[in-house]
Amino acid sequence: EVQLVESGGGLVQPGGSLRLSCAASGFTVSSNYMSWVRQAPGKGLEWVSVIYSGGSTYYADSVKGRFTISRHNSKNTLYLQMNSLRAEDTAVYYCARVMVRGLSSRWFDPWGQGTLVTVSS
Amino acid sequence: QSVLTQPPSVSGAPGQRVTISCTGSSSNIGAGYDVHWYQQLPGTAPKLLIYGNSNRPSGVPDRFSGSKSGTSASLAITGLQAEDEADYYCQSYDSSLSALFGGGTKLTVL
Repeated sequence: EVQLVESGGGLVQPGGSLRLSCAASGFTVSSNYMSWVRQAPGKGLEWVSVIYSGGSTYYADSVKGRFTISRHNSKNTLYLQMNSLRAEDTAVYYCARVMVRGLSSRWFDPWGQGTLVTVSS
Repeated sequence: QSVLTQPPSVSGAPGQRVTISCTGSSSNIGAGYDVHWYQQLPGTAPKLLIYGNSNRPSGVPDRFSGSKSGTSASLAITGLQAEDEADYYCQSYDSSLSALFGGGTKLTVL
């Protein structure tokens, strides 16, 4: 069964750091595009970052320079290192596999259950 | 403010048909990027509902259908059931290959 399980969320003070993990089973993380998507309380979905199978990484402007996406191939795990956290980063963070079809079609499936990050003093 | 525009809410009685629109621009949907739809039941993670504009993953009932035309897309749900009450999100991409989500639509089954 294809599954993603996030961990690492919690309460952190503004300016602090946190590392999220996403353990995959049923497929190989390094052979796929993988993303993080977040959802602030009561709000919609916001794409955060992607790592391609070749290792290239891309970020939303709102997190560029503060967040780093990476993976550990032997652990089949995706990570999101979050530094200089702000109150507006408070959200449930989901990891998701990116399915790709050609140059014009990419979608997210499956999604993990999410992990809550709260940035507050 | 989401780049893809969805109505905040729609409603319908059991058995009825409802549609949810997703309006983009020539930089995203109109540029040929496919539209995908997700269902988020209360307190759960989003789940893929439609991919590639009109394709249903295995296990998704054929009551759900998607279409795309020009700079917009639509999700239609027929034979509305109480269990369909959820938030629905459209998703596409733009030329910078950043994923875009609609603001979400809350479906209420009356």
